[in-house]
Order: sequence, then C-alpha cells, then structure tokens
Amino acid sequence: AQRVTQPEKLLSVFKGAPVELKCNYSYSGSPELFWYVQYSRQRLQLLLRHISRESIKGFTADLNKGETSFHLKKPFAQEEDSAMYYCALSGSGGTSYGKLTFGQGTILTVHP
Amino acid sequence: NAGVTQTPKFQVLKTGQSMTLQCAQDMNHEYMSWYRQDPGMGLRLIHYSVGAGITDQGEVPNGYNVSRSTTEDFPLRLLSAAPSQTSVYFCASSYSLRTGNTEAFFGQGTRLTVV
Repeated sequence: AQRVTQPEKLLSVFKGAPVELKCNYSYSGSPELFWYVQYSRQRLQLLLRHISRESIKGFTADLNKGETSFHLKKPFAQEEDSAMYYCALSGSGGTSYGKLTFGQGTILTVHP
Repeated sequence: NAGVTQTPKFQVLKTGQSMTLQCAQDMNHEYMSWYRQDPGMGLRLIHYSVGAGITDQGEVPNGYNVSRSTTEDFPLRLLSAAPSQTSVYFCASSYSLRTGNTEAFFGQGTRLTVV
C-alpha cells in the first residue's frame, strides 16, 4: 500500500531562516511526488513536483529514492510562505494519476 | 477560466438526510476525484473517475456514491448523512490527454456539518 508521512504537524520559523518540511513515502514502484500548498482562504494548489526539478517561490525538493524522502526546502523563509503544505504521491502512468495519496499536512508559520 | 467549481461552499445536514455535492471542471481533464480533509489526517480519497462512465472506490468510500455521466461533471452523493461525515470535501480534476499534464486542480471546498 502507498503511504505518505509528514512527521511535523506544525513548524514555526522566523523570517529569513531556512526551512525544511519533511516527507517520507512508501510505494512499490516508481511514484510521482508532489508538494501542494493551501494558503489562507485559497484553494489547494500545486507548488512543485519532482519530475520538473524546478524551484518555485524559492522552494526546492529532491526525490531521494534510497531514503524514500521528498523533503521541501527553502533557504530564506518569508512571511507569505505561511500556509498548510501537503506532500502527495501518485503512481506514474495509466490511471494512477487520478489517485493521490496525501500526507497529514504541515502548517508552516513564518514569524516576522 | 473557472477551473474546478464546487457547490455548495457550506452545508448543514441533519443525520439521515441525503444530499449531493456538485463538481464541474472546464479543463477537459480525464480524471476527477473526491477527497475529504480531516484534522491530522490530510486528504483522503473517497472516489475517483478516469473517464465518463468509469468510477472506482478510494480509501474511504463508505456512505458515498458517485457517477460520471459526462467528462465535465462528477457529483458526490451522501446517501444517509452521519456525524462522522462532517468534514471539508474537495473535488479535483487532473490529466489532460492533449498536454500530458498530471497536475491536479482543486475546487474551493465544501464545508459539511452533520448534526
């Protein structure tokens, strides 16, 4: 069975500090990994995915297949980064794209 | 560009009542799905569909029905509401055959309370 674990429910940092949101997964096969973000009063939206290997809003995430992790990192947090962050997984190919498995979510608060 | 539209935004039901949550997308996506969001549990998949006329169960399907008669619409029916179904519900669509993009787009959510 596929599973996504985000060990931190809450994460607080000060503006300008580095931030890392942890995500570990289990999946028998080649998964596709995502980070979704939900800002206050906004709908859930894609932040980034591992296959694109890009940096969005200063965030990066590297897929580590050996450690089965997909941690989200940003070197200098901003107040506008405060939000709920979800790590999610789907299978790659076929009908797997229609089924996302989410972690429990991490609420990030960036203090001024 | 409407994207994914869910109605209603809020709903209060009495135990035993039935209702339908509506979801429509205008992005020509093949896949549509329903999730519920509960504190400390993230989003859990209720039902999903990979095309018109095709649906399947997710992780927590009991007490819910779905159908997909058109590509655009994917309603979620609560047959006999129970307090355990108090939650925030999200509809999502994904996968464009034309572009191959697998990004999921979400509706704004429906906050349902069953009393």
